[in-house]
This record gives sequence, C-alpha cells and structure tokens, in this order.
Amino acid sequence: EVQLVESGGGLVQPGGSLRLSCAASGFTFSSYSMNWVRQAPGKGLEWVSYISSSSSTIYYADSVKGRFTISRDNAKNSLYLQMNSLRDEDTAVYYCARRYPGESLDYWGQGTLVTVSS
Amino acid sequence: AIQMTQSPSSLSASVGDRVTITCRASQGIRNDLGWYQQKPGKAPKLLIYAASSLQSGVPSRFSGSGSGTDFTLTISSLQPEDFATYYCLQDYNYPQTFGQGTKVEIK
Repeated sequence: EVQLVESGGGLVQPGGSLRLSCAASGFTFSSYSMNWVRQAPGKGLEWVSYISSSSSTIYYADSVKGRFTISRDNAKNSLYLQMNSLRDEDTAVYYCARRYPGESLDYWGQGTLVTVSS
Repeated sequence: AIQMTQSPSSLSASVGDRVTITCRASQGIRNDLGWYQQKPGKAPKLLIYAASSLQSGVPSRFSGSGSGTDFTLTISSLQPEDFATYYCLQDYNYPQTFGQGTKVEIK
C-alpha cells in the first residue's frame, strides 16, 4: 500500500525556518518524481514545488522561489522541503504528492500544518 | 504561468442530479489535466487523469472530457458521498496550476 506521511509542521515566527519531511512507503520511491502542494486555511490548492526522481530537475512556484528548497533522499525514501524566510502567507497545510507519469498526482499524504505567526 | 479558470465556484444539487464542472486553460494544454475531489480536512483524491481517464477505484459515474483549452468533469448521478470540493490541475508544464475549486453542496 502506497503511503506518504508528512511531518515537521508547527508554529514559527515570520522570518523563521522550518523543514518538512515526507516519508514514503509501499512503492519504489526512487522511481517517481514528487511534489509539494499547499492549502491556506479556507482557500484552494496551490502547487509549490517539484523534484524529479533523480533530483536532476527541480521547479518552484514564484511565490516560494529563493526561499524554499526541495530535496530528496532516495536511500531513506524521504522527501523534504526546507522553508526559510517564512511569511504570514505561507501559513497552510502542506501536502506531499507522488507524480505518476502521465497520470497526474496520484497519491497524497495527509498533510502537515505550518502556521507562521508572531 | 497557465491560468486555469474553473466554473462554477459553487453549486447546489440534489442526490441523483447530473452535475457538470468546467475548467478553461489560458493556453492549450493538450489533454494534460487532472480532476481532484477534496472533502473537509482530507487530502485531495485523484479522480480523472489525462482529461478523460478514470483513476483506479473511482466510480464510473465520474467522467472527464475535453482537450486543448476546455475541459469538463461530469458526475452522472450525484451520490451523498460526492458532496465535496472539486479542483482541476494542469499537468502540461511548470508551474502547475489548479483551478479555483468548485464546492458541490446539497440542495
């Protein structure tokens, strides 16, 4: 069974940093590209970042470019999102999601809440 | 970035109704579009990929159509468990972009 479990969320002050993790199981993690998607309270979904299976290709939303860094450790079956210079508007539930070639984002984690507030 | 315009933003319908949600892309995206269902407090769930392919395990009352810039999600006979918010997502290029969402409520 495919499972994605996010962790690392919490309360952080504006300007602070946080590192999210996503632990993957039930599939060959190293064969799939991965994404982070977020959802602010009461708002819609916003794509945040993409990383290819080998980490050779990375993309970011303009809203986080230069502040967030996506990475992965295939030996540990883990995906990460390093978030620096956090702003109030980064407050959201952050989901990791697997991308199946030609089939969109087919599996999602349960999400982890990041709250940026003083 | 490609803009995805989804409509309506909300609708009220009864059990058994046929429901249609549309998504329009600001430029052609071939058939690189997915539809997602999200219930309160839960992660999104993939319903349709490649515009018209039904994800495994998803009931056949869900269907998708379209290509290029105009896409449709149809629920042929609305069931109680279908009351949720639905999103489209363009998979054509990065940054990927979602529609604004359509909340399907009980009439």
